[in-house]
Parts: sequence; C-alpha cells; structure tokens
Amino acid sequence: GAGVSQSPRYKVAKRGQDVALRCDPISGHVSLFWYQQALGQGPEFLTYFQNEAQLDKSGLPSDRFFAERPEGSVSTLKIQRTQQEDSAVYLCASSLPGLGVLAGELFFGEGSRLTVL
Amino acid sequence: TQLLEQSPQFLSIQEGENLTVYCNSSSVFSSLQWYRQEPGEGPVLLVTVVTGGEVKKLKRLTFQFGDARKDSSLHITAAQPGDTGLYLCAGARNNDMRFGAGTRLTVKP
Repeated sequence: GAGVSQSPRYKVAKRGQDVALRCDPISGHVSLFWYQQALGQGPEFLTYFQNEAQLDKSGLPSDRFFAERPEGSVSTLKIQRTQQEDSAVYLCASSLPGLGVLAGELFFGEGSRLTVL
Repeated sequence: TQLLEQSPQFLSIQEGENLTVYCNSSSVFSSLQWYRQEPGEGPVLLVTVVTGGEVKKLKRLTFQFGDARKDSSLHITAAQPGDTGLYLCAGARNNDMRFGAGTRLTVKP
C-alpha cells in the first residue's frame, strides 16, 4: 500500500525478552519519527531520523531502547530486556520534508501494540 | 512536564454546541499542527499553522496560532457526533515534533 506500514500490529512479550518493531515509511519520505503512546495519552516523542541520520534520540526512555534506519527507508525500533512499563502502542510516522522552517504532514502507521507480561 | 499543555483533558457536549480547546507552551515553535486520532488508528492531520496570529478555517473548525507562536486554539462550531475523537496539537522544532496529551472530545447526539 501507499501508507506507512508497521509490523507486528500486536506483540506479547515476556518480561526480559527482546523485541523488534518494524516501520515501512512512505517511499521517498525524508523524515521518520517514532512515538510511544500509553492508553489515553498523547504520543510521546522517542526519536527522529532525517534519511539515515538519527538527529534526535532524546526521547528514548533508557539505553534498552535502540532505533535504526540504515538505508534511509525502513526503520526498526528495538527494545531489549522488556519491562512491564514498556507496554504501549509504538507509532511510526513519516513526512516528506526534513524538519526545518516548515514541518510537513506526518503520516502515521496504525501502530504496534506491545504488551509485556 | 509536558512541553505542550492541552486543555481541557476531557470534554463531553451535546450535538450542536460550540467548543474551544487550547494548546499552550512556553516554547516557540516553527509551526504547529493539529491532529485527530480515532481508537486503534494513528493521528490524522487537520491543519498546519505557521505564522503568528494566523487563523485557518476548515468547515466548522477554526484554528488560531498565537502571536508569539507558543500557543494555539481550536474552535468547533455546531459540534456533531462525528467530531468525537482525541484532538492533539503538535509543535515542530528543528529536530523533533512534540505532541500534547490531547483533548478527548465526546459529542452526544
């Protein structure tokens, strides 16, 4: 499809397990964002890529969280040694331009719902 | 502490009523966007405002960007049940786009 695709849609992990969440952005989009959304809350910024460069990772909650976008297209968010507080929906969004004078529209995927038992 | 504070957090009104929701910050943004999110889906863009003092209208929705580009408001006229959802504001800076916690609007028929 032409939209942002995320997989898996649902993931149940045992505490301590590692997980990897994938995001396929819209082709040609320069900017890619990861957000964490808890139930009833707004999306919390995790990290931002402009092409393959990770320009901001200040929102990553701990060093257990790692994101990459090696070829400037597909991105993976990895969470090591998952904890119960990591349970949330992880949203990926892409945008055609890079952040700068004028931000473009963010196109979101449907999210990956992670439940840590 | 949220970078963008949205109020009210919850709003429940009857069909036909008017409402205003607010988005406030101490930071200056290059642009501010409003999104609406429905359960199980990602947010969808409603509008982008760029210039301080800018007002944009989208049918029954009126968006305003504060003169200092730190705050914004969304006014809905004659609300309809289809307006129900989570309304999110988002501020753009050089290397991030931050969201507020949202206003959850319920419009009862």
